[in-house]
Amino acid sequence: NAGVTQTPKFQVLKTGQSMTLQCAQDMNHNSMYWYRQDPGMGLRLIYYSASEGTTDKGEVPNGYNVSRLNKREFSLRLESAAPSQTSVYFCASSERLAGGIYGETQYFGPGTRLLVL
Amino acid sequence: AQSVTQLGSHVSVSEGALVLLRCNYSSSVPPYLFWYVQYPNQGLQLLLKYTTGATLVKGINGFEAEFKKSETSFHLTKPSAHMSDAAEYFCAVSTGGTSYGKLTFGQGTILTVHP
Repeated sequence: NAGVTQTPKFQVLKTGQSMTLQCAQDMNHNSMYWYRQDPGMGLRLIYYSASEGTTDKGEVPNGYNVSRLNKREFSLRLESAAPSQTSVYFCASSERLAGGIYGETQYFGPGTRLLVL
Repeated sequence: AQSVTQLGSHVSVSEGALVLLRCNYSSSVPPYLFWYVQYPNQGLQLLLKYTTGATLVKGINGFEAEFKKSETSFHLTKPSAHMSDAAEYFCAVSTGGTSYGKLTFGQGTILTVHP
């Protein structure tokens, strides 16, 4: 199993350009997440999808949109990139535990490094 | 709202020395606590987690952490550091309920291991 895969690995954009970050998981997980990682700030949740067909905002959603294309795929779109969106983006997935128990493990992709000039 | 504070953005130890990475959390409901490790240019992987039950949790690579409710802490330890432990470590909390599954991360601690 590949786990969580992300494309592209690196990307350079000019201010105002748009792009879509792709994420796919082969673990049949219901939940998927997009985070950004900035130095000294840990990871911050951008959007998440608790199940196919649903998406919700996280801590820092402004400037981003998402699509849960199917159970496997969850994409993140930057409509008009800004230098403040220079970051490393991680996708993750998890599966709810049975019996209403929380604390499931999230599995992370290798990340996409984005530079906006 | 939940939050996580990791004390010390950089920790440096000698090979063979004790590793102690500190994490304090804030949560109004019983927390679920995690430590993740990130090796250079890689994604995060789970080291260990506390959900319920035994408060001393053992993880991979000889790491362990103890949940102390009275101190709102979940510090990560390893008795003897190895060069391969050099990485960035993140403490995280989730609380279930309407926040189910969502993690709030600390700022991260970079661990350097000297020969």
